[in-house]
Amino acid sequence: QVQLVESGGGVVQPGGSLRLSCAASGFTFSSYGMHWVRQAPGKGLEWVAFIRYDGSNKYYADSVKGRFTISRDNSKNTLYLQMNSLRAEDTAVYYCAKDPMPVVPAAMPDYFDYWGQGTLVTVSS
Amino acid sequence: QSVLTQPPSVSGAPGQRVTISCTGSSSNIGAGYDVHWYQQLPGTAPKLLIYGNSNRPSGVPDRFSGSKSGTSASLAITGLQAEDEADYYCQSYDSSWVFGGGTKLTVL
Repeated sequence: QVQLVESGGGVVQPGGSLRLSCAASGFTFSSYGMHWVRQAPGKGLEWVAFIRYDGSNKYYADSVKGRFTISRDNSKNTLYLQMNSLRAEDTAVYYCAKDPMPVVPAAMPDYFDYWGQGTLVTVSS
Repeated sequence: QSVLTQPPSVSGAPGQRVTISCTGSSSNIGAGYDVHWYQQLPGTAPKLLIYGNSNRPSGVPDRFSGSKSGTSASLAITGLQAEDEADYYCQSYDSSWVFGGGTKLTVL
């Protein structure tokens, strides 16, 4: 069965950095695009970033562009989110989520068929 | 302010039918992009409930159904049960992946 397990969250000061990881299992990780989606405390869902199955294309929400970097290591079945210049408004639970279609050549306007349990990032002094 | 608009809350008694609306615009739902729905039980991650406007993933009861028309979509839940109490989110595409603000369903 598909499993996505996030890690790396914690408390960081404004302006600081953090790297999140998402370990994937139960499917051919290297064939699927992957996303990061976040949820601020008591708030709704916000898409953050997407990476193509082979890592060749990456897309970001305007709110994180230039500060966050999504990447993946298909040999380790792991997705990453490097977060720099963190702000209070980045405080949220960060979920990794899987794209439903394999080996898609471009970012498709699709949905998220599996989600991890999330990892909490708190940006506070 | 979310790109897709949902009512903040809905409620219903056990056994009743409730609907949750999701209103978009000509740049997202009205442009032909599909609408998808997620259920988020308290303290848990979102779970895919409906994809492609009206399709249920394996394991989702047929009490849940979705529809889309014009620039709007809706999620219907029939035979309401206590375990349906959760937050529900619609999602579509508008130059990037977008969500509704979420609707809290209370089972009275």
